[in-house]
Amino acid sequence: KAGVTQTPRYLIKTRGQQVTLSCSPISGHRSVSWYQQTPGQGLQFLFEYFSETQRNKGNFPGRFSGRQFSNSRSEMNVSTLELGDSALYLCASKEGAGVATYEQYFGPGTRLTVT
Amino acid sequence: AQTVTQSQPEMSVQEAETVTLSCTYDTSENNYYLFWYKQPPSRQMILVIRQEAYKQQNATENRFSVNFQKAAKSFSLKISDSQLGDTAMYFCAFMNGGSARQLTFGSGTQLTVLP
Repeated sequence: KAGVTQTPRYLIKTRGQQVTLSCSPISGHRSVSWYQQTPGQGLQFLFEYFSETQRNKGNFPGRFSGRQFSNSRSEMNVSTLELGDSALYLCASKEGAGVATYEQYFGPGTRLTVT
Repeated sequence: AQTVTQSQPEMSVQEAETVTLSCTYDTSENNYYLFWYKQPPSRQMILVIRQEAYKQQNATENRFSVNFQKAAKSFSLKISDSQLGDTAMYFCAFMNGGSARQLTFGSGTQLTVLP
């Protein structure tokens, strides 16, 4: 099976702009989670989607949003970009939402730079 | 809320030697999962090993094994016969069994294998 794919891999935006990142999970996986990785804050959970519904959300402002499509692909959007949003954004997928399928597999990440 | 602590920011080991990375966590839950992830310079997050809290037996995956001490809330990773390809950032992560949705990560340990 192909792994988790994320597009684009690199992105440069200006403060105040918005950005959309995409994630395609492993075939058959229905849960997608997003994480932000920065040198200062480390790895932090953004949100999780399962069957097109947001199941869980981390402690991030409303500028961070996401959605999931019927084919399980997910997008996350960040509006009104700030310099502090510069980070590696990682997407992870797993088969389902329950405890029986807890292993998450990560994509290569999207490196966002805000100038 | 759960917390994960990795007290060793950097470690090094000679090729073919054994090294142990430390991790402690804090939770009031009884049902949970613990993971070690590896992040090489490519930034791809790779699952190394997992441990279910209800299992007393320590997990083993080839050269990687864990020492899980539930009462002490300790979860260390032992890498035997270290190889140059093991050079990476290693993250300890916790997932609550009840929600089974998000990973809480430690701050990471940068491991360098020396030739």
